[in-house]
Formats: sequence, structure tokens, C-alpha cells
Amino acid sequence: EDQVTQSPEALRLQEGESSSLNCSYTVSGLRGLFWYRQDPGKGPEFLFTLYSAGEEKEKERLKATLTKKESFLHITAPKPEDSATYLCAVRQEAGSGYALNFGKGTSLLVTP
Amino acid sequence: SAVISQKPSRDICQRGTSLTIQCQVDSQVTMMFWYRQQPGQSLTLIATANQGSEATYESGFVIDKFPISRPNLTFSTLTVSNLSPEDSSIYLCSARGQTNTGELFFGEGSRLTVL
Repeated sequence: EDQVTQSPEALRLQEGESSSLNCSYTVSGLRGLFWYRQDPGKGPEFLFTLYSAGEEKEKERLKATLTKKESFLHITAPKPEDSATYLCAVRQEAGSGYALNFGKGTSLLVTP
Repeated sequence: SAVISQKPSRDICQRGTSLTIQCQVDSQVTMMFWYRQQPGQSLTLIATANQGSEATYESGFVIDKFPISRPNLTFSTLTVSNLSPEDSSIYLCSARGQTNTGELFFGEGSRLTVL
């Protein structure tokens, strides 16, 4: 059973059209939920860490929120340069220490 | 943040051969990991590279196929042995940052194609 599920798999937005990406998780003992951005041919780039339900983090046009079952990455008035794959990952109490378990990602395309 | 350099960035190998990927971090880090990223799939953890001792492998990954070395706190290698086309993938090195948030930083990845 997948621990981290991201939706939608792909999203196409017009420039300026706000939307949200979803990350649902089923792990117990969450020790952090992480958002990354990955551009083609590059390694994942760290965006945010969230630890507890109700927590929010913001960076430019991105805002990440966390509940007990899911996290949202809200993109406000996106620009073409926001096009990338957005990855969600969790760290849990049991398992591989500080390693992260990743979802499959949401591929975002923002058109002018 | 840690800057992670990997090489080679890409390679094409013949079936049955091996490829060794090097990972260099610009600062001393306590934890390093190797991930695999197959098309359309999640990043999958291969193993935790332990400094001065044997790596800790995840279920489905074995030392004979993916030997890992970590001689010091800034360097690690991953070898993919006895290559088959199913090993074609991107291999990513990562390291835990020094901040309290504990995020992982990633290299650019090594794209392997096996013919």
C-alpha cells in the first residue's frame, strides 16, 4: 500500500490561474512532510517542511499546508517558470531513519 | 544547504558490465542516501550509506547488486553491478542537511541506460 499519494498526476494551468496540488499520506508517527520541486534533468530541490497539522509555510507564489491526513501545495497566480514536477515526501518514526518516502509527483505545466 | 556533485551525469553501458557513480558533498554530513528514480515512479530508497561501515539496504535491494562505499563524511559511491536493461534509471545521491528541519539535499542525478 502506497504511503504517499499525490494528485493529480498532471496539471495544466494558464498563467495566473491559481490551483492546488494534493498529497495524502497514510504513515503513522509522521516526523515531517516535505515538498520538493524537480525540473527535467535535475535533482529535487527542497521547498518546505511541515511537522504538525495546521502548519503553513509560504515561499513566493507557493503555500504549503498540512492536516492529519494530507498536505496541499497552493500555487497562486502561477507563472510559466513554475512549471516543474512537485514531489511530496514523508519521514516517519519507523523505517529508514532520516530517509524520505516519496510520492510519484504532480507534473505542472503553466502556459502563457 | 549542502551542494552535492555526482558523476557521471549520464552513461550508456552494455549488459553484464558495472557502473560506479560517485557522490561528493561540499561539507561534512552525517547521513547520505542513494535513491533510484524510474520513469513514472516515485524516488525509491536503495540504501543508507554509512560512514566506515556497511550500507543499510532497503527491501528489494542487495549488496551484491548495489555495493556502496562511504570512506568519509563527504564522499560515497554506488556501483550497479551485472547490468541489465531493467537497471536503466536515474540514480540520485542525497544528504541530510545540517538544519533542524532535516531536509535532504539531492545531487543532479546520474542517468544510466543499459543496452
